[in-house]
Amino acid sequence: ETGVTQTPRHLVMGMTNKKSLKCEQHLGHNAMYWYKQSAKKPLELMFVYSLEERVENNSVPSRFSPECPNSSHLFLHLHTLQPEDSALYLCASSQEGPNSPLHFGNGTRLTVT
Amino acid sequence: AQSVAQPEDQVNVAEGNPLTVKCTYSVSGNPYLFWYVQYPNRGLQFLLKYITGDNLVKGSYGFEAEFNKSQTSFHLKKPSALVSDSALYFCAVRDGGATNKLIFGTGTLLAVQP
Repeated sequence: ETGVTQTPRHLVMGMTNKKSLKCEQHLGHNAMYWYKQSAKKPLELMFVYSLEERVENNSVPSRFSPECPNSSHLFLHLHTLQPEDSALYLCASSQEGPNSPLHFGNGTRLTVT
Repeated sequence: AQSVAQPEDQVNVAEGNPLTVKCTYSVSGNPYLFWYVQYPNRGLQFLLKYITGDNLVKGSYGFEAEFNKSQTSFHLKKPSALVSDSALYFCAVRDGGATNKLIFGTGTLLAVQP
């Protein structure tokens, strides 16, 4: 049990589908993150929420839409994805501040067909 | 801009031997440095961090890391490797003067042979 739970663990979707990834943290943290992990590439920071406000959006295509309804929950809404969006999507949480480590979930393995 | 480099895609070591996984960084302010480990089909797990103070930092599972300011390095070490240490290791850096943005290296695959 990592304290950060992601669902689903695996997702296969067509390019015209709409789906959502869910993340929940039970650690009392006030910052949450979405990262994309692709083979042979560094982890890509997608979005950062701090105190439920989006503070980072790294030029992510609009087909990815984050939502943070409260400090414990984070969603990533997906629509009209491309095959190159297939990757492991990792959610993380932390306390505010540069010296706080991130705690990661086990990720959602997304395959776009 | 901050960045981190892990020059080795893979490190091979025999069980019982010491291991080193290399990391160098670049930041404009004071560095906050982290090591994470990732096992197959899992998320990243925090191992240790350097914020300030002693240059040798001890972490989980017997790992330690040495901060070297002049060489801008933060190498991960363990005196005696275990087969169960085989995993993907990530170095990460955060600029103390900037946002909560944590930048990761490309990862180093550690393979420990029995």
